[in-house]
Amino acid sequence: DTGVSQDPRHKITKRGQNVTFRCDPISEHNRLYWYRQTLGQGPEFLTYFQNEAQLEKSRLLSDRFSAERPKGSFSTLEIQRTEQGDSAMYLCASSLAGTGPSEAFFGQGTRLTVV
Amino acid sequence: QKEVEQDPGPLSVPEGAIVSLNCTYSNSAFQYFMWYRQYSRKGPELLMYTYSSGNKEDGRFTAQVDKSSKYISLFIRDSQPSDSATYLCAMRVSGTYKYIFGTGTRLKVLA
Repeated sequence: DTGVSQDPRHKITKRGQNVTFRCDPISEHNRLYWYRQTLGQGPEFLTYFQNEAQLEKSRLLSDRFSAERPKGSFSTLEIQRTEQGDSAMYLCASSLAGTGPSEAFFGQGTRLTVV
Repeated sequence: QKEVEQDPGPLSVPEGAIVSLNCTYSNSAFQYFMWYRQYSRKGPELLMYTYSSGNKEDGRFTAQVDKSSKYISLFIRDSQPSDSATYLCAMRVSGTYKYIFGTGTRLKVLA
């Protein structure tokens, strides 16, 4: 499978715990995105990287959220001190920056439930 | 007012029907328009993208953009039960890679 891979697929955690999700983009893609999707809504932008540089961050990404892409390949999204409102599907996507426009391909998501 | 508006449906049609899905937007700076299909509990799958006003066809799917009216459409011909999914429109401003999504329209194609 050469698509965007996310791990884990599901995570149940207690309120107040920290969680970390991993995303492996399509191998030649240098842009990587994180989105959050709640039931009945479209995905909401959280942040995006070009290579290892984090170029844009949403105001949705509070101090409890941090994303990294240390070597410009895989990325992690960490949520500290989880709250029930963090329960959502966290989606990772990647695209290729090149000479022409290139749109994002999404992974299957990590579904987070905070109890 | 949301930047992108999309009727959430659900939209139910018989097999073989032509389906029309639509989004309106308020930001005239949007230049790139995408349609994604999302099955239940799966990630969105890129269906089509267009960068200019007019039509773009791919098999049974046609994407239409009318920038003067700030209106985009996706048409599905000869709809199949396997097309039952949520269809999300997305758009972005040139030079940025922050996608703004609609809420999605849930489509059911009845056999």
